[in-house]
Amino acid sequence: GEDVEQSLFLSVREGDSSVINCTYTDSSSTYLYWYKQEPGAGLQLLTYIFSNMDMKQDQRLTVLLNKKDKHLSLRIADTQTGDSAIYFCAESAHQAGTALIFGKGTTLSVSS
Amino acid sequence: DGGITQSPKYLFRKEGQNVTLSCEQNLNHDAMYWYRQDPGQGLRLIYYSQIVNDFQKGDIAEGYSVSREKKESFPLTVTSAQKNPTAFYLCASSHGTGGYEQYFGPGTRLTVT
Repeated sequence: GEDVEQSLFLSVREGDSSVINCTYTDSSSTYLYWYKQEPGAGLQLLTYIFSNMDMKQDQRLTVLLNKKDKHLSLRIADTQTGDSAIYFCAESAHQAGTALIFGKGTTLSVSS
Repeated sequence: DGGITQSPKYLFRKEGQNVTLSCEQNLNHDAMYWYRQDPGQGLRLIYYSQIVNDFQKGDIAEGYSVSREKKESFPLTVTSAQKNPTAFYLCASSHGTGGYEQYFGPGTRLTVT
């Protein structure tokens, strides 16, 4: 079945780079997403990548996609304390009638 | 300002009572979703709706009910049949189901004692 796996925790120091990893199982996934959730809030769409791309960069965020290994990563450069949050990876097969499949989320803790 | 609103932010109920959570969007999205979030369990899909007057069960629909009478609104009722209703509930919407990105509301924290 479809499943999205993420490591649960990541701890980094302010100014370092953070890399959050995700693996997915649905080879027909056409879009892959990264969401950020701050405490007590809803999810905020950070970025997404189309399955025919290898990389997408958006300011401090870099998304890498290895379609062969079904591996997605989110790199946050120069991590700040405000980046502390839960980060969710999600996949979709772009078939009507299906919802996004979310991972359990990675809690990023940034210490100063 | 376009967006998704959920009300109230915090909700308290006694065990055995039904409670309805509100979700409204003005993004002109066709699809809407309800998720439940518990610590360490990520998001679990309760119900979703692709279009007005249509909805499908998600992974954990038991003890919940929904309606979709208007495009903008997708209320969720937590019934007394839901064994562990205390959780954070998130509503989302998208242009359609499938590959479209979902936009989330701020969530409602329901506490049942």
